[in-house]
Amino acid sequence: DAGVIQSPRHEVTEMGQEVTLRCKPISGHDYLFWYRQTMMRGLELLIYFNNNVPIDDSGMPEDRFSAKMPNASFSTLKIQPSEPRDSAVYFCASRRSGTAYGYTFGSGTRLTVV
Amino acid sequence: KNEVEQSPQNLTAQEGEFITINCSYSVGISALHWLQQHPGGGIVSLFMLSSGKKKHGRLIATINIQEKHSSLHITASHPRDSAVYICAVSRGSQGNLIFGKGTKLSVKP
Repeated sequence: DAGVIQSPRHEVTEMGQEVTLRCKPISGHDYLFWYRQTMMRGLELLIYFNNNVPIDDSGMPEDRFSAKMPNASFSTLKIQPSEPRDSAVYFCASRRSGTAYGYTFGSGTRLTVV
Repeated sequence: KNEVEQSPQNLTAQEGEFITINCSYSVGISALHWLQQHPGGGIVSLFMLSSGKKKHGRLIATINIQEKHSSLHITASHPRDSAVYICAVSRGSQGNLIFGKGTKLSVKP
């Protein structure tokens, strides 16, 4: 299995532009998580899905952030309009349901908003 | 107070030393996870445990559920072990992770 695949690996954009981050979870994993990592706050949950349905989006900073999971093999995280404070590394992770299963993380997308 | 606390925040060791990183948590959990992150790199899951002890190569993870405490040990440390080690807990079957701030380990040759 190729693992959790995120794209792009790096994104540099100007303030005000729309940014779309993409994630392909491991086949058969029914949970998908979006996390953000910053120096100040560490790793934080943004949103997670179960069977393509958003379960908890309480970590989404504001209306500028939106996430979708149109099918079991694809999810997007969109920021519109982007701001410099959105600069961070965004990780996608997936897991199979059941307490016996661990998490697999993608390589992350490093976002820089200038 | 954070729900997951790690210590130390930074750790420098000489190659070959025995290393211990500690994690305490204040909430009920279904499992505790130890993760590794190399500089500029992704996050790798090292262990998931809900009781007792697990061993993988030179790495050992223990958990004491009553005391809400876990330790990660590295025996015969090596410079390639230099990374940030993150403790995280999951709650319930859905298991969203709550993270500690991480311990930055540097092993000098």
